[in-house]
Amino acid sequence: EDQVTQSPEALRLQEGESSSLNCSYTVSGLRGLFWYRQDPGKGPEFLFTLYSAGEEKEKERLKATLTKKESFLHITAPKPEDSATYLCAVSGAGSYQLTFGKGTKLSVIP
Amino acid sequence: GAVVSQHPSWVICKSGTSVKIECRSLDFQATTMFWYRQFPKQSLMLMATSNEGSKATYEQGVEKDKFLINHASLTLSTLTVTSAHPEDSSFYICSARGGSGNYEQYFGPGTRLTVT
Repeated sequence: EDQVTQSPEALRLQEGESSSLNCSYTVSGLRGLFWYRQDPGKGPEFLFTLYSAGEEKEKERLKATLTKKESFLHITAPKPEDSATYLCAVSGAGSYQLTFGKGTKLSVIP
Repeated sequence: GAVVSQHPSWVICKSGTSVKIECRSLDFQATTMFWYRQFPKQSLMLMATSNEGSKATYEQGVEKDKFLINHASLTLSTLTVTSAHPEDSSFYICSARGGSGNYEQYFGPGTRLTVT
């Protein structure tokens, strides 16, 4: 059974204070690891897909990296508008379904 | 690109009535659509998976006669909550996946259902 564990559950940062969110996973035949951002009362917004260990992707202040056991979402010099819940999900062999972690709620204080 | 819409964004209905939620992929053809339910401060719970022209596959514990899913075209899926009860009140979110080899799911904005 695929499993995704995200840490920390919540993270408070001062504006400009860089940090990382962790996503540990176990999956049979990784087809993709996905990062989403979810604002309150809205659907998740797609950020990145990572397919293999060593892969990295960047978008503005966000950078996602992948190893064989975990993924990190690095946030550089965050701004208050980066405040949201960040969700990690995996898709394993034989299925297009996503297994989600419980998310990390990020709060960036001005 | 990859925009998914849902309608309505919120709905209030009386106990015992039915309500239909639409999910549309606006700029791509969705081979597969998914329906999720999300409770406050919790992650997404997959309810069912549907492929265009096929019957939906429901997750364990989800009543298929209560949550009717239709995926009649490559751009439209509907979820009908039949004989709604207050415990069906929740945030329902759909997602859509493109063609072969595409694993990303793109999510709609969600529908807040309140049953009184």
